[in-house]
Amino acid sequence: DTGVSQNPRHKITKRGQNVTFRCDPISEHNRLYWYRQTLGQGPEFLTYFQNEAQLEKSRLLSDRFSAERPKGSFSTLEIQRTEQGDSAMYLCASSPTGAKAFFGQGTRLTVV
Amino acid sequence: QKEVEQDPGPLSVPEGAIVSLNCTYSNSAFQYFMWYRQYSRKGPELLMYTYSSGNKEDGRFTAQVDKSSKYISLFIRDSQPSDSATYLCAMSATTAQKLVFGQGTRLTINP
Repeated sequence: DTGVSQNPRHKITKRGQNVTFRCDPISEHNRLYWYRQTLGQGPEFLTYFQNEAQLEKSRLLSDRFSAERPKGSFSTLEIQRTEQGDSAMYLCASSPTGAKAFFGQGTRLTVV
Repeated sequence: QKEVEQDPGPLSVPEGAIVSLNCTYSNSAFQYFMWYRQYSRKGPELLMYTYSSGNKEDGRFTAQVDKSSKYISLFIRDSQPSDSATYLCAMSATTAQKLVFGQGTRLTINP
């Protein structure tokens, strides 16, 4: 499978714990995006990388959230001190030079 | 007011019907328009991609963009039960910018 890969698919954590998600984009895509989707809503932009450079961050990305893309390959999204409001589907997308974005299957986070 | 408005439905139609899904937007800078299909608990799948105004057809799917009215549509002909999903419109101003999504329309095709 040469699509966008996200791990884990589902994460249940206790409030206050830290979690980390991984995204492996399509290999030739230099752009990588993170989005968050809650039930009944469309995805909302979190952050964007071009190669290893983080070029844009949404106001949704509080200081408890951090994302990295070392060496411009895979990316990680870490949430520290999780809160119940963080429960959502976290989607990663990658894009070549055009505007098309290809999404992974997402990581569904449940904070209990 | 949201940048992109989409009727969340739900929309339920019989198999074989023509389905029309729509989005309106407020940002006149948007030039790239996409439709995604999302099955329950899965990631969005890109269906249609259009640049600027005009029509694009791909099999049973037709995407229309009217930039003067800030209105985009997706038509599904000969709808099938397998088309039952949530359909998301998305748009961006440039090739590098983030996508702005509508809320999604939940569609059910009844056999």
